[in-house]
Amino acid sequence: SQKIEQNSEALNIQEGKTATLTCNYTNYSPAYLQWYRQDPGRGPVFLLLIRENEKEKRKERLKVTFDTTLKQSLFHITASQPADSATYLCALGGNQGGKLIFGQGTELSVKP
Amino acid sequence: EAGVVQSPRYKIIEKKQPVAFWCNPISGHNTLYWYRQNLGQGPELLIRYENEEAVDDSQLPKDRFSAERLKGVDSTLKIQPAELGDSAVYLCASSTPGQETQYFGPGTRLLVL
Repeated sequence: SQKIEQNSEALNIQEGKTATLTCNYTNYSPAYLQWYRQDPGRGPVFLLLIRENEKEKRKERLKVTFDTTLKQSLFHITASQPADSATYLCALGGNQGGKLIFGQGTELSVKP
Repeated sequence: EAGVVQSPRYKIIEKKQPVAFWCNPISGHNTLYWYRQNLGQGPELLIRYENEEAVDDSQLPKDRFSAERLKGVDSTLKIQPAELGDSAVYLCASSTPGQETQYFGPGTRLLVL
């Protein structure tokens, strides 16, 4: 069955450092992968989308890589800030209409 | 532009009671999704609508869950009767045809006692 694994442990980093979050998947060939941010008590908010034929995508301090051979995506936040503290979800999609399959999320905490 | 609206935000009920959640998607968004999110997990799709048609309800527990989107705009998700294991956050999302990005509402947090 399809499986998505994100960093199981919460990630604690110091302000100004780069946060790197991992998303691994099995038994799936997604057409695209998305990253969402979720704050406590709120719904997920879309951040970035990367397609299967793209290796890297950037948006301001965010960078996503996608390796379809390794079946892995890495999500980087450079020059991290306490305001970046949240849970980050990866989601795979594109092969079943608009259906997204989400990972369990990684909680990021950026300390000042 | 107003976002996805959900109500109520919180609901506490006793097991075996019915409960209903309401969602109003972003104006012009034809596709509507209902997800369930358990604590510490990602959202899991329950049902997806294209206008008023349910095009994917394979993950909806049909013995106790039902949903409708009669006029292709707002939608209601119902549980009857609720069980303890139904305690979760119920998220609604919407998108336009061909758009991969989904826009989520704040969710309804359900606690079944």
